[in-house]
Amino acid sequence: AQRVTQPEKLLSVFKGAPVELKCNYSYSGSPELFWYVQYSRQRLQLLLRHISRESIKGFTADLNKGETSFHLKKPFAQEEDSAMYYCASQGSARQLTFGSGTQLTVLP
Amino acid sequence: KAGVTQTPRYLIKTRGQQVTLSCSPISGHRSVSWYQQTPGQGLQFLFEYFSETQRNKGNFPGRFSGRQFSNSRSEMNVSTLELGDSALYLCASSLAPLAGSNEQFFGPGTRLTVL
Repeated sequence: AQRVTQPEKLLSVFKGAPVELKCNYSYSGSPELFWYVQYSRQRLQLLLRHISRESIKGFTADLNKGETSFHLKKPFAQEEDSAMYYCASQGSARQLTFGSGTQLTVLP
Repeated sequence: KAGVTQTPRYLIKTRGQQVTLSCSPISGHRSVSWYQQTPGQGLQFLFEYFSETQRNKGNFPGRFSGRQFSNSRSEMNVSTLELGDSALYLCASSLAPLAGSNEQFFGPGTRLTVL
């Protein structure tokens, strides 16, 4: 069975500092990996997916198959980045498996 | 374009009752997925419907069921409610069946409380 682990429930950084939200997955095949974000009082929304290899709102995530990781990074955090972040994987069964989420707080 | 809508937004039921939740996908979207979100278990996949057929199912008991109509609207039903069914139920829609290239758009959720 697929499993996604986000080891940090809470993460606080100061504005302008780099931020990295960790995500590890367990899946024997080649999963699709995603990061979803939920801002306060808003809906869960897709932030980025590894197949697009894109940068959204300054965030990037690199799939490391050797370490089975898909960490989310941003070089300079902004206060508006404060939100709940979920890592998710999708295997051959196509259903999304979510991690438990990391609440990011960017301090002024 | 209107987003995914879910009704009702809040619901209170008692143990043993049954409940039906509704989801209207974004216009043109034909795939609807349902998720349960709880503080203890997080976000868990319930099932996915496409073209009125259940295509995928998570590890939930048979008390949880769903269906999809020809207009892509979907309902999920939970029978014989238990206290542990208290959760936020999220619906998500996408253009086509779940795949890496298909973005899912989530609704606001229905908050179910079982007393």
